[in-house]
Amino acid sequence: GESVGLHLPTLSVQEGDNSIINCAYSNSASDYFIWYKQESGKGPQFIIDIRSNMDKRQGQRVTVLLNKTVKHLSLQIAATQPGDSAVYFCAVGGSNYKLTFGKGTLLTVNP
Amino acid sequence: EAGVTQFPSHSVIEKGQTVTLRCDPISGHDNLYWYRRVMGKEIKFLLHFVKESKQDESGMPNNRFLAERTGGTYSTLKVQPAELEDSGVYFCASSHTPWTEAFFGQGTRLTVV
Repeated sequence: GESVGLHLPTLSVQEGDNSIINCAYSNSASDYFIWYKQESGKGPQFIIDIRSNMDKRQGQRVTVLLNKTVKHLSLQIAATQPGDSAVYFCAVGGSNYKLTFGKGTLLTVNP
Repeated sequence: EAGVTQFPSHSVIEKGQTVTLRCDPISGHDNLYWYRRVMGKEIKFLLHFVKESKQDESGMPNNRFLAERTGGTYSTLKVQPAELEDSGVYFCASSHTPWTEAFFGQGTRLTVV
């Protein structure tokens, strides 16, 4: 089966800095990767996804990088804002369509 | 467009009682998923519906959990009888196809005392 590990459970950054949140996965057959943001009292909110045939994808202020060689996934947030404070989850999917989640990184943005 | 909605938002029940959680997916989404997060642990997959059929229920903990999706619209997740370890946040998500982004509801926080 798949397991998803997290490098840091918490991350604290200054407003305006760039944030990098990391994730590692175990199953080399995994081919779908998603980042979710969860604010207090809400469900996970989709941020960005990437498939295994890509190694980088950009959205608005966010970039996801995928390194299949070392089975590593990262989320970069540019110019981090106080509204970015939340728990960030990576999730990994394979051919069975179910997602395996990491435990989450709590991002705190200091003004 | 309405998002995924879940009812109730909170439920506190005694051990041995029955609780039914409801999820209304986004209209037109054939794929519906149930996940749960037990305190301090990661979000874990429970099951996946495609329309009214169970595509994958490998994550269901035991036979005290029963999920249904009659008519391929809303879904219910019943826990009977509830045990203390069932406490957690139960999330429902829906998507148009299995490989497009899944939209999550706000979750139902279940507390078994």
